[in-house]
Amino acid sequence: KAGVTQTPRYLIKTRGQQVTLSCSPISGHRSVSWYQQTPGQGLQFLFEYFSETQRNKGNFPGRFSGRQFSNSRSEMNVSTLELGDSALYLCASSLQLNEKLFFGSGTQLSVL
Amino acid sequence: DQQVKQNSPSLSVQEGRISILNCDYTNSMFDYFLWYKKYPAEGPTFLISISSIKDKNEDGRFTVFLNKSAKHLSLHIVPSQPGDSAVYFCAASAQSGATNKLIFGTGTLLAVQP
Repeated sequence: KAGVTQTPRYLIKTRGQQVTLSCSPISGHRSVSWYQQTPGQGLQFLFEYFSETQRNKGNFPGRFSGRQFSNSRSEMNVSTLELGDSALYLCASSLQLNEKLFFGSGTQLSVL
Repeated sequence: DQQVKQNSPSLSVQEGRISILNCDYTNSMFDYFLWYKKYPAEGPTFLISISSIKDKNEDGRFTVFLNKSAKHLSLHIVPSQPGDSAVYFCAASAQSGATNKLIFGTGTLLAVQP
């Protein structure tokens, strides 16, 4: 069974641009979550989706948005990029809510 | 406000000895705790978890202890192996909210010396 797949693996953008990151969960998993990892901050929760509905949102500005499609695939979008958005963005999926998360390898975003 | 804290950024142990990684939390609503292991350039992988109704959970070389009164949990790895060298994250959630939202600590880098 394939794991959580995130594309692209690496991304370089400049300030003010926007970016879309993609996540394909493990087959059959209906819950997708997104996390941001920066040095010294650990993993910070961004959003959580279940059956195309956003169930939870972390403390991030409105520039960060996401969605989940009917096939459970998810995308997150960051608009008007800032230098501080440089981070590893991790997607995780689970079969249902209240179950352990399986993480993808992440998308490393660098904002110049 | 860091609700989950891992106060040791790094830990070094000899192969074959015990590794003890510590984690403290402040939110009494947390009722489910997990440990994840992360290698560079990879996503975190699940290691072991514990519900707040237990005080110990064991899986092979890995044991997690939970002290609810102290709001403290620890991960014991016995015996430690060089392949265990990685960053270990402690995470917590309030499962009564029917959510997969995890609050992570900042991680502890474990180095197991051969």
